[in-house]
Amino acid sequence: KQEVTQIPAALSVPEGENLVLNCSFTDSAIYNLQWFRQDPGKGLTSLLLIQSSQREQTSGRLNASLDKSSGRSTLYIAASQPGDSATYLCAVRNTGNQFYFGTGTSLTVIP
Amino acid sequence: GAVVSQHPSRVICKSGTSVKIECRSLDFQATTMFWYRQFPKKSLMLMATSNEGSKATYEQGVEKDKFLINHASLTLSTLTVTSAHPEDSSFYICSATGPGGPQHFGDGTRLSIL
Repeated sequence: KQEVTQIPAALSVPEGENLVLNCSFTDSAIYNLQWFRQDPGKGLTSLLLIQSSQREQTSGRLNASLDKSSGRSTLYIAASQPGDSATYLCAVRNTGNQFYFGTGTSLTVIP
Repeated sequence: GAVVSQHPSRVICKSGTSVKIECRSLDFQATTMFWYRQFPKKSLMLMATSNEGSKATYEQGVEKDKFLINHASLTLSTLTVTSAHPEDSSFYICSATGPGGPQHFGDGTRLSIL
């Protein structure tokens, strides 16, 4: 069974810093990987989707990479802002149309 | 972008009541919908997967008679928590996806059973 782990569990950085969130998965036979943001008491907002054939995706200050063979993905956030404070979740979709979520990284950006 | 509407956003009711939560895809056809439960400060726990027109597939440990899921159309799935008890209090989130596409999530339903 696919297992998805995110490190660190929590991260606190001063405003303006660049940061990297990590996601690892045990089964490399994935269809795609998606990064989400969740604000307290809210649903999930999709940030980036990387297909299994892709290496990275970029949207604004966000860049996500995928190394399928090693079972890793990173989410890079440039020039962090207080509004980036949230929980970030990665999820892998396997070829059987099942999604597996990571444990999440709680990010706090200090003004 | 794709929008998923989940209703209601919050429910408070007495023990023994049945509660229905709706999940609608507003601008795309959702061939598959997922129902998740999230405990405080925890990640999402998949409860069941429902494909339009067929019975839902429940994850191990999820009572299908307790959590009734209906996916009667390509735009609507419902989750009914039957005879709810305080231990059913939680945050429930649905998501919808088309063939090979990303998941789009609703805003969640906060269920509180007194």
